[in-house]
Amino acid sequence: QSVLTQPPSASGTPGQRVTISCSGSSSNIGSNTVNWYQQLPGTAPKLLIYNTNQRPSGVPDRFSGSKSGTSASLAIGGLQSEDEADYYCATWDDSLNGWLFGGGTKLTVL
Amino acid sequence: QVQLVQSGAEVKKPGSSVKVSCKASGATFSSYTITWVRQAPGQALEWMGDIIPIFGSTKSAQKFQGRVTISADISTSTAYMQLTSLTSEDTAVYYCAQHGVPSATPRGNWFDSWGQGTLVTVSS
Repeated sequence: QSVLTQPPSASGTPGQRVTISCSGSSSNIGSNTVNWYQQLPGTAPKLLIYNTNQRPSGVPDRFSGSKSGTSASLAIGGLQSEDEADYYCATWDDSLNGWLFGGGTKLTVL
Repeated sequence: QVQLVQSGAEVKKPGSSVKVSCKASGATFSSYTITWVRQAPGQALEWMGDIIPIFGSTKSAQKFQGRVTISADISTSTAYMQLTSLTSEDTAVYYCAQHGVPSATPRGNWFDSWGQGTLVTVSS
């Protein structure tokens, strides 16, 4: 069981907006930036959002990140079939002195 | 952006050790932290530890302390992760990743470039 809690699954139809949550605590999300990674089936993870709300070059602006208190969110607008993947949140934990990943959310495009 | 190329798949016996390599090319290696992450079949990503090559300083998750050794060779821009006393629960894909900015502190950083992954299978 991960210290960062994500819903195991999410779904939406093409064109819809979907939000994935990531819940932590004061020692991790509450005091550090959050990153999000996309993992397509059978491939290595790819950086999707860094520093809570920044997109690397090449990532469409349909993807956005935010944080409030000890929770973070990833929003995907204009859902496309190629967005079907596993999504992980990650952050540093000051108490554990280590990086944490969420349990991952499997996004299905219906 | 850096390219990270990892060594090939390994099959190991329980109780043995494995050493995975991660060679960087295309960008500065020594100043950027290299992190190791693993993913057991059907499971989430799990941080194992990291190294700042220029300092040789390492950190590791409490779960792996005493079993994992992370090292780096600046002359060949290669990082290594050795895991000992393997059990079937260590069967996983092991990834290396380079951090986004050179910094001695992990806060405010991220895993920018990833290797392709190395499958380690532990079986008798």
